[in-house]
Amino acid sequence: DARVTQTPRDKVTEMGQEVTMRCQPILGHNTVFWYRQTMMQGLELLAYFRNRAPLDDSGMPKDRFSAEMPDATLATLKIQPSEPRDSAVYFCASGLSQGTGGYTFGSGTRLTVV
Amino acid sequence: GQNIDQPTEMTATEGAIVQINCTYQTSGFNGLFWYQQHAGEAPTFLSYNVLDGLEEKGRFSSFLSRSKGYSYLLLKELQMKDSASYLCAFMDSNYQLIWGAGTKLIIKP
Repeated sequence: DARVTQTPRDKVTEMGQEVTMRCQPILGHNTVFWYRQTMMQGLELLAYFRNRAPLDDSGMPKDRFSAEMPDATLATLKIQPSEPRDSAVYFCASGLSQGTGGYTFGSGTRLTVV
Repeated sequence: GQNIDQPTEMTATEGAIVQINCTYQTSGFNGLFWYQQHAGEAPTFLSYNVLDGLEEKGRFSSFLSRSKGYSYLLLKELQMKDSASYLCAFMDSNYQLIWGAGTKLIIKP
């Protein structure tokens, strides 16, 4: 089965450090989402790309977060500087723009900022 | 505006049937999704409805009424492994997903 690959699986870092999370979408998928999930907030959209172009990053704190798709096989989410409140699970999901086959989620990156 | 609502938690018995409801409001609609998420894991795709009616897939069925802004997920012959959170989400006119907070389903023997 094709899968979305996210790295790292787990990350523990100190407050103030830079964190970079990576996502390899399924080959042929033209839509990529980055979500953050916490117990309190559920799934929050951080960024949304279609054909590598950013369509919506309004949910992302722009002073510290950035998201890019340098090519069709890689999406990145960066936090600089990280803060304890950023501790959460970050998911990447990919699919086709109409979503008829559903969007496939990666396994997530569990980030802990201490 | 846009919003979506589903119950926070439901409890059902192994072998029984349970229906999880989802209501939504939006001016632009491009389909409704159901996902299953086990604790500590990623959401996995269950179903997609864009037309009114019932879609059946094994023990799971999903129903949509666009005029009522209503969907449900029906789980039959419940198994202990069905204990999970069930997330509904609609796709808006920009093909963006708007997610519900999820329904935690607890299955008792």
